[in-house]
Amino acid sequence: QVQLVQSGAEVKKPGASVKVSCKSSGYTFTNYAIHWVRQAPGQRPEWMGWINAADGSTKYSQEFQGRLTITRDSFASTAYMEVSSLRSEDTAVYICARDPLEDAGIYFDYWGQGTLVTVSS
Amino acid sequence: QSVLTQPPSVSAAPGQKVTISCSGSTSNIGNNYVTWYQQFPGTAPKLLIYDNNERPSGIADRFSGSKSDTSATLGITGLQNGDEADYYCVTWDSSLSAIVFGGGTKLTVL
Repeated sequence: QVQLVQSGAEVKKPGASVKVSCKSSGYTFTNYAIHWVRQAPGQRPEWMGWINAADGSTKYSQEFQGRLTITRDSFASTAYMEVSSLRSEDTAVYICARDPLEDAGIYFDYWGQGTLVTVSS
Repeated sequence: QSVLTQPPSVSAAPGQKVTISCSGSTSNIGNNYVTWYQQFPGTAPKLLIYDNNERPSGIADRFSGSKSDTSATLGITGLQNGDEADYYCVTWDSSLSAIVFGGGTKLTVL
């Protein structure tokens, strides 16, 4: 069965960086894309960016330009999301999601369990 | 503020039907496919409807989606207590060059 399993919760100080992993199993990793979405407490989800697992191409939301890096290790079927220059407003649950890369709309059919990142001095 | 507008809350009795609206513009809903997700507290969103009106396998036919011009609608019939959740519409916004989520609608089953 398809599974996306993320790394554990993180606590970081303002100005630091955090890197979250998302390990996929149960499907051919390079046939799909992985998106990252974050959700602050009580807020709507916010799309951050995505990576095409086949060729490693990425696209980021302008909200995170310069602070966000998404990478993947095809051999390990794992995607990574790194945010730098963390501030308190980055405290949120970060979630990876699989995109079937179909010709019509963009959608996420499987999601990771989420990783809580807390930014606090 | 989201570029997709949803009612903050809707409610109906068990067995009844409810609709959740999602209003956008030509830069998003008007020219792109709409997706709907269901989210329970403390869990990741779950895909309900994709490509405006398609249901993934395993999603009950009580859930339906439609789109007209710059608006989309999620319909739920035969309401059950287990449908109490937050519902989000999502689409691509060509002006923002980003995937955007609606503000979310909390469904209460009375």
